[in-house]
Amino acid sequence: ILNVEQSPQSLHVQEGDSTNFTCSFPSSNFYALHWYRWETAKSPEALFVMTLNGDEKKKGRISATLNTKEGYSYLYIKGSQPEDSATYLCAARSGNTPLVFGKGTRLSVIA
Amino acid sequence: DAGITQSPRHKVTETGTPVTLRCHQTENHRYMYWYRQDPGHGLRLIHYSYGVKDTDKGEVSDGYSVSRSKTEDFLLTLESATSSQTSVYFCAIKQGNTGELFFGEGSRLTVL
Repeated sequence: ILNVEQSPQSLHVQEGDSTNFTCSFPSSNFYALHWYRWETAKSPEALFVMTLNGDEKKKGRISATLNTKEGYSYLYIKGSQPEDSATYLCAARSGNTPLVFGKGTRLSVIA
Repeated sequence: DAGITQSPRHKVTETGTPVTLRCHQTENHRYMYWYRQDPGHGLRLIHYSYGVKDTDKGEVSDGYSVSRSKTEDFLLTLESATSSQTSVYFCAIKQGNTGELFFGEGSRLTVL
């Protein structure tokens, strides 16, 4: 089973702060890296799918980078807002395996 | 919206009883997945399907079986429910172009 690690486990930031979290995964036989946003009492929603080393994706104030050679991805949130409070999941695939999820980073943005 | 619905959304049952959860999709996606969500574990894959009658095990498949007799329905069965199977179960489909998963609304199962 692929091992996908996320850090930190949880994070509290003030409104307006920028923040970032990390996802690490095995670099061998890498296929794809996904980020999902999961609000309480809802279903996870896809943010980004990245496949190429050096990929950078952006959606509004949220962006992500990918380093497949060293096996990590960063998710950045610029100017955090209370509505950004959620759990952020990353998931990785290698070869023909299904996605394996990390345990998530729970972000709380305090107004 | 990938047109994915789960039923039932909530169920309370007793240990030893069989339970079946249904995932229904309307857009002919090939890949469907069942995950369970538990505190401290995130989302863990139970079983998945890559076509009609084609299924495979995930990382936590013990105590679960699945069936996919038609493209639109993926059923998850607990033959004899145990308290350790109390969880929230999510069905997902894989979007063909991007590979991203689209999730159903979840089914909360409580086994007493």
